Amino acid sequence: GEDVEQSLFLSVREGDSSVINCTYTDSSSTYLYWYKQEPGAGLQLLTYIFSNMDMKQDQRLTVLLNKKDKHLSLRIADTQTGDSAIYFCAETPISGNTPLVFGKGTRLSVIA
Amino acid sequence: DAGVIQSPRHEVTEMGQEVTLRCKPISGHDYLFWYRQTMMRGLELLIYFNNNVPIDDSGMPEDRFSAKMPNASFSTLKIQPSEPRDSAVYFCASSSFPSAGSSYNSPLHFGNGTRLTVT
Repeated sequence: GEDVEQSLFLSVREGDSSVINCTYTDSSSTYLYWYKQEPGAGLQLLTYIFSNMDMKQDQRLTVLLNKKDKHLSLRIADTQTGDSAIYFCAETPISGNTPLVFGKGTRLSVIA
Repeated sequence: DAGVIQSPRHEVTEMGQEVTLRCKPISGHDYLFWYRQTMMRGLELLIYFNNNVPIDDSGMPEDRFSAKMPNASFSTLKIQPSEPRDSAVYFCASSSFPSAGSSYNSPLHFGNGTRLTVT
């Protein structure tokens, strides 16, 4: 079955760049997603990338996709304390109409 | 739109008691999901519905757990009897998946969750 792996913790200093990594198993995934969970809240879609793209940039966020290695990363430039949250990677499974497969989430701590 | 609404936000109960969690999905969404989040296991999909019909309940941990969706605007997740290991944050999410053949999976919209503590 599909599986999504992420490291559990990341700590960075305010102003530095954060890079959160994810590996997935389903090579036929059409979309890959990053969700953000702030304390006491549900997950919110942060950004996504279509599988025929290598990179997507959205303001301070850069998503890189390496399909050969099944590796997805999220880079946050100029990380702020408000970026402290849990970041979840998710992939679409083979059947597009079945639920997303989520990783366990990476807890990002930003040190002032 | 108010988003996905869950109640209660917090629930503290004693072992053996029945617990009912409630969810109101976003109007027009035809998929509803129940997730459980713990530190140990992360985010687990328990069950999901399409047009009020349960599609996959293989994630429901035990027969003590049951979920219903009597109409398009309401769903419940019930635990009876509850146990301390059921303590977790339970999320409801909804989405409007595209028709077959479409290439984009619509994102999930999550509620703010119910934090359940069973003592």
